[in-house]
Parts: sequence; structure tokens; C-alpha cells
Amino acid sequence: DIQMTQSPSSLSASVGDRVTITCRASQSISSYLNWYQQKPGKAPKLLIYAASSLQSGVPSRFSGSGSGTDFTLTISSLQPEDFATYYCQQSYSTLRYTFGQGTKLEIK
Amino acid sequence: EVQLVQSGAEVKKPGESLKISCKGSGYSFTSYWIGWVRQMPGKGLEWMGIIYPGDSDTRYSPSFQGQVTISADKSISTAYLQWSSLKASDTAMYYCARRGGGSTQGPYWFDPWGQGTLVTVSS
Repeated sequence: DIQMTQSPSSLSASVGDRVTITCRASQSISSYLNWYQQKPGKAPKLLIYAASSLQSGVPSRFSGSGSGTDFTLTISSLQPEDFATYYCQQSYSTLRYTFGQGTKLEIK
Repeated sequence: EVQLVQSGAEVKKPGESLKISCKGSGYSFTSYWIGWVRQMPGKGLEWMGIIYPGDSDTRYSPSFQGQVTISADKSISTAYLQWSSLKASDTAMYYCARRGGGSTQGPYWFDPWGQGTLVTVSS
């Protein structure tokens, strides 16, 4: 299976900060990369699909970039509701869509 | 509104069997793959497997092959995840999610997600 590695595993930041989370694939996955946000006790929510496409209804402060093996999720100006855990997921491997281990974003 | 609604929380003993469900509505259930994801307490998301309700084509992650069975009943727009003999290590939240994207070529993504079913296995 394709392995997905996120960094950092946890991150402390303040409201208004610009934050970047990185996801690296063990092999090239073209642009087949999704980002999800999960809040405690809730199901994951799709933020970004196909590496850089913003899901409908998601604030424009979220953006994604990258292709091949290296990808980033950027939050341009952190809001209080953005403190959550973020996961990347590859959809390149046919019907075996592995996740990264998650990045927990906490309030500084 | 496209929606996936999962069955309620379960408390079981080791060795018991269990089948949890995920009912789709607001779209053509037979035209979209449904995936299952495990989240153990305090841990990350793990890909378990996926089914196409139109013809019941099913694929499993190697980690879950032989441990669980994924099925679907298209007549009632419902996908299932089942265990024949639960273990304490099966204690987790389980999510279903619909695959979006092209029908034969990616990229693909998962949206929406069900609300999750908490399975607790304890003697």
C-alpha cells in the first residue's frame, strides 16, 4: 500500500496565524490527494480534493497545493473553529485509499 | 440532500457477531462506491474497504481482509460491515463514506460521511 506521512503530528498556533501542514506519499500519486478536518466526536469533513480543489462551502482561507509526492494544506488566517485534527488521504491506489496519521492543531 | 445514516452504538462481548449498517439517501445508491473507515479510540483514520452496491464488487485493505465482511442490499440502499467473532481490539468508531469523483478514473474523494457507529467489545 501507498504510505502517507504527515508532518508535524501536532502543532500549536494562535488565532490569525498562517499554518501549513505537509503530507508526503511513499510514491507518486499525481494530484490524487484529499484533505479532511475532524473535530472531536464528529465525522471527518472533506476540505480539499484533488490536491487543490476547495470543497463547496469550505472557507477560502483553506487551500491545498502539490503534486507527485509532496502536498501541503494551508490555513491563511486561523479561526477559533479551525482547531481540529487534519488528515490527508491518497486516492491513487485503486480502491485502497490510505490516510496519513493526522495532524492535531491546538490553540497556543 | 445526499446523506448517509449509520446504525446506533453497539456493546458486544468477545466472540459475538455483529452487523452494522449505513443507509444512503438523496442519490442513486447503486451508482457510487461506499467505503468503510475505522477509528480506534484516540487514534487516526484507517481505510478498511469499499463496495460498489450496483454489483457488490468489494475490495479490502490487506489489514482487514478476512477480519470483516462488507456487503450491500441495493433494494434498501444500505451497506453493511460485519464481524463473525468480535475481539476486544475491534472496539472503535466505524464510519461509512461515499466516494465522489469520476466513474472510472480519478481523482476520487469521500463525501459525505455517516455520523459513525461506536462498537464496544468488552467482557
